[in-house]
Amino acid sequence: SQQGEEDPQALSIQEGENATMNCSYKTSINNLQWYRQNSGRGLVHLILIRSNEREKHSGRLRVTLDTSKKSSSLLITASRAADTASYFCATDPSGSARQLTFGSGTQLTVLP
Amino acid sequence: GAGVSQTPSNKVTEKGKYVELRCDPISGHTALYWYRQSLGQGPEFLIYFQGTGAADDSGLPNDRFFAVRPEGSVSTLKIQRTERGDSAVYLCASSLSGGLAGYDEQFFGPGTRLTVL
Repeated sequence: SQQGEEDPQALSIQEGENATMNCSYKTSINNLQWYRQNSGRGLVHLILIRSNEREKHSGRLRVTLDTSKKSSSLLITASRAADTASYFCATDPSGSARQLTFGSGTQLTVLP
Repeated sequence: GAGVSQTPSNKVTEKGKYVELRCDPISGHTALYWYRQSLGQGPEFLIYFQGTGAADDSGLPNDRFFAVRPEGSVSTLKIQRTERGDSAVYLCASSLSGGLAGYDEQFFGPGTRLTVL
């Protein structure tokens, strides 16, 4: 079963613009992770935010977490055509990364 | 190799046939995971190995699905009497310790695309 739901399902922007994707989840979590998946390839881990953190940065990525609303957002600043991919949030209720529960993903298209 | 590898990359079979999907984890990783990803969806957990044993197989949909990891490295996902609904991309991931020492990043392979006709 899917734990999270990403919003929007698809997003198309121009190169240089910022892209914001949202994720909502259902149960309490220990941490939440974001992954990227290029077409025909496996998933690449982007960033992890723990339940006691509210915001985290990594390069052009900014992740926020609101545990009271059970939601997270991923912001990609100054987007590039190479950022075109599907983005998934994944929750880890146990905190052990033994079983990740993924959302349905946001398909991001960055137009050159 | 440097990453997780999976073979074959594509598998087409007929309904009712038996298939095996192989995963080679990153050398030294004790934990191995199988996920299934249907079109337009996120991956769904199937099974997790710690060493040679299946520590959590709660995601296997039914008894037609089985996975082994006899020597604690390579794993094989086996599907008996395949059905059209089994068509999906099967992803394998490995991690260093499976979270035994706290959070552990999972590294994913490119997947095997299974098509059941």
